[in-house]
Amino acid sequence: EDQVTQSPEALRLQEGESSSLNCSYTVSGLRGLFWYRQDPGKGPEFLFTLYSAGEEKEKERLKATLTKKESFLHITAPKPEDSATYLCAVQAGDSGYALNFGKGTSLLVTP
Amino acid sequence: GEEVAQTPKHLVRGEGQKAKLYCAPIKGHSYVFWYQQVLKNEFKFLISFQNENVFDETGMPKERFSAKCLPNSPCSLEIQATKLEDSAVYFCASSQFTSGGSYNEQFFGPGTRLTVL
Repeated sequence: EDQVTQSPEALRLQEGESSSLNCSYTVSGLRGLFWYRQDPGKGPEFLFTLYSAGEEKEKERLKATLTKKESFLHITAPKPEDSATYLCAVQAGDSGYALNFGKGTSLLVTP
Repeated sequence: GEEVAQTPKHLVRGEGQKAKLYCAPIKGHSYVFWYQQVLKNEFKFLISFQNENVFDETGMPKERFSAKCLPNSPCSLEIQATKLEDSAVYFCASSQFTSGGSYNEQFFGPGTRLTVL
């Protein structure tokens, strides 16, 4: 059975304090790994798609990386507006195109 | 449109009543997905469509849930005889598969919060 586990569940950072969020997965035939950001009361907002081990993508203060077993979302010098829940999801080879989500990491960045 | 639209934002039903939720995908996207989010962050896939055809319904409770995507109409998710455990936020997402073999991201709507009393 496909599994997606995110850690930590919650993370509190000072503004400017860099850190990483982890997403470990077991899936039969990975099609893609997706990172989303979700603000309270809103739908998930797409950040990145990673398709193969070794791939990296960057956007502003965020950088996503992928290995055969896990993905990291690195946040460099975060700002309070980066506070949100970050969701990782995998798309497996036998799942149609449905996304299997982890439970997310709730990030709070304080000034 | 440029965003996935979902209506209504909030829906309150008494147990046993019917609930119907609507989703307008991004123009030009041929795939529509429905997810249920309970307990804050637990997403459950329900059903997906390719245009008006059911693509994957492996997550769909068979007994009380049904969904449609008809041409020139918003997609809909209907729950007959709602139960307390149906209380959740229901998200719709749309996607456009590329023939090059990459599987495009799914863009989510703002969700419909269903409360069953």
